[in-house]
Formats: sequence, structure tokens, C-alpha cells
Amino acid sequence: EVQLLESGGALVQPGGSLRLSCIVSGFTFSNYAMSWVRQAPGKGLEWVSAIGGGVTTYYADSVKGRFTISRDNSKNTLYLQMNSLRVEDTALYYCAKGPKEGAMDYWGQGTLVTVSS
Amino acid sequence: QSVLTQPPSVSAAPGQKVTISCSGSSSNIGNNFVSWYQQLPGTAPKLLIYENNKRPSGIPDRFSGSKSGTSATLGITGLQTGDEADYYCGTWDSSLSVGVFGGGTRVTVL
Repeated sequence: EVQLLESGGALVQPGGSLRLSCIVSGFTFSNYAMSWVRQAPGKGLEWVSAIGGGVTTYYADSVKGRFTISRDNSKNTLYLQMNSLRVEDTALYYCAKGPKEGAMDYWGQGTLVTVSS
Repeated sequence: QSVLTQPPSVSAAPGQKVTISCSGSSSNIGNNFVSWYQQLPGTAPKLLIYENNKRPSGIPDRFSGSKSGTSATLGITGLQTGDEADYYCGTWDSSLSVGVFGGGTRVTVL
């Protein structure tokens, strides 16, 4: 059974930093691209970042230069380092398996990041 | 403002059919596969359709997808109260090298 479990969400002040983690099981982690998708309260889905099976990374313009996606294949874990956080980064952050041909086939339950003074 | 355009809401009576459109451009829908996601209230998104029209294991054939040019459509037949949810289309944008989603469509069963 495929499982994705996010952690690391918290209340942080504007300008602060946070690192999210997503530990996965049930598939060969190193063989798949992985993504972070966020959802602000009451809003739609927003793609944030993706990383290939190796080191190729992609970022939404809204987070480029502030967020860094990485992975540790030995630990089956995906990370999102978030720096210079802004109020508008407040959202539920989902970890997702994929994209594979554009689709994300499994999602975690999300971890909540709140940026507020 | 989402890159992909969806209607904010659609509704129909139980047993009826609804369709949800998703409009994009040549750099995203026009040259990449489209996927659809269902988000029930208070839950994580769930993949409904991938590669334009394929259903993952366990997704009933009441759900269907299609693509033509720079637009895609999700169809739901035999509408049930349990289908009340938000539905999102998604794809990759080859020009921007980013993932993109539609703004979401809320389906209401009357």
C-alpha cells in the first residue's frame, strides 16, 4: 500500500524558515518524480515544486529562490526547505507521487503551514 | 488567476450527467496529458483520470475524460450525492516547466 506522510508544518513569523518532510512507503521511491502542491484556506490547488528521480528540480515562480525541494532516496523522504516565508505562503502543503505523464497518483494528507505575526 | 480555466460550479440532479471543461493553451493541454482530481470535503485530492482518459484502478466508469486541442473535459454520469466535491484539472506546461492546475469546479447534486 502506497503511503505518504507529511510533517513539519507549523506557525512561523513572516521572514522565517521551515522544512517540510514527506516519508513514503509502498513503492520504489528513487524511481519516481515527487511534487509539493499547496492549498491556501478556501482556495484551489497550487503546484509548488517537483523533483525528478535524480536532481532535476522545478519551481513555481511564486516560490522560486525561496523554496528548495530535495530528496533522500536512502530514507524514502522528500523535503521542502522554505525560507523568507510570506503571509501568502499560508496553506496546507501536500506531498504527491509524480508527476508521471503529468499526473500525481498518490497524495499525502497534508501538513499545515501558517505564516503570521 | 489559474493557468487552466474551469467553471466555478456545476450542478445536476441525482442520476443525471455533468461535464466540466478545462481550457488551456498549446504549451500545456495542447501538448501534454491532462489529469483530473477529485477533492471531497476535508480530504486530500484523489486522482480520477490520467493521460486524458484513463482511470486508475478502483475509479468507476461513471467518470470519463477526453481532450481535444487545448481543452479537456471530465464527465460524470449517474450522479450520486457522494460525488459532491471539488474537481481539478492539471497538466504540465512545457514552456514554463511548471505544473499547472485549473481553479477547480464544485459539483453540487441537487
